Amino acid sequence: GQQLNQSPQSMFIQEGEDVSMNCTSSSIFNTWLWYKQEPGEGPVLLIALYKAGELTSNGRLTAQFGITRKDSFLNISASIPSDVGIYFCAGGIQGAQKLVFGQGTRLTINP
Amino acid sequence: ETGVTQTPRHLVMGMTNKKSLKCEQHLGHNAMYWYKQSAKKPLELMFVYNFKEQTENNSVPSRFSPECPNSSHLFLHLHTLQPEDSALYLCASSRTENEKLFFGSGTQLSVL
Repeated sequence: GQQLNQSPQSMFIQEGEDVSMNCTSSSIFNTWLWYKQEPGEGPVLLIALYKAGELTSNGRLTAQFGITRKDSFLNISASIPSDVGIYFCAGGIQGAQKLVFGQGTRLTINP
Repeated sequence: ETGVTQTPRHLVMGMTNKKSLKCEQHLGHNAMYWYKQSAKKPLELMFVYNFKEQTENNSVPSRFSPECPNSSHLFLHLHTLQPEDSALYLCASSRTENEKLFFGSGTQLSVL
């Protein structure tokens, strides 16, 4: 089946640093989504990407849909303590029903 | 608040118990989903309902039984679970099957 390789698995950074994480796959996806999950909560959608090459921002977050349709990255600029959590990528084929999730990147920020 | 409410938030049950998880969405969506989230594993899709009809059963054991009485409510009935079924069970909804998901806060289930 389809699999997503999300890296890094964990990150320990200083407040104010920029963060970059990515997802890669051997399969082509039509949709890339990025979610953030905080302890005791469900994932919350951050950014949705629908076209190859698309670059979309949401505040300090920027995500891109890779040209090959097999990868996506998420950048967070000038990290702050509330950015702590687990970030998941998800690739979609034929819509949400076929979402495949990455294993997540756990972000820890030292103040 | 995502508009998707799950109850209970936490549940501890024995292997012989019968319990149910409840999900309600206030977003006017037509598709609802159950996902299982275990430690150090990706989210696993369990069931999909679209306009109250089940459209996906991802090889889930019969000890998990979903029910979708209407487009706003989704249940997961649990019976004779195993300790390895302990996980966070997440409900999600989307406007249609082809749109982005909105998740509830989940039910943290422990099977003793």
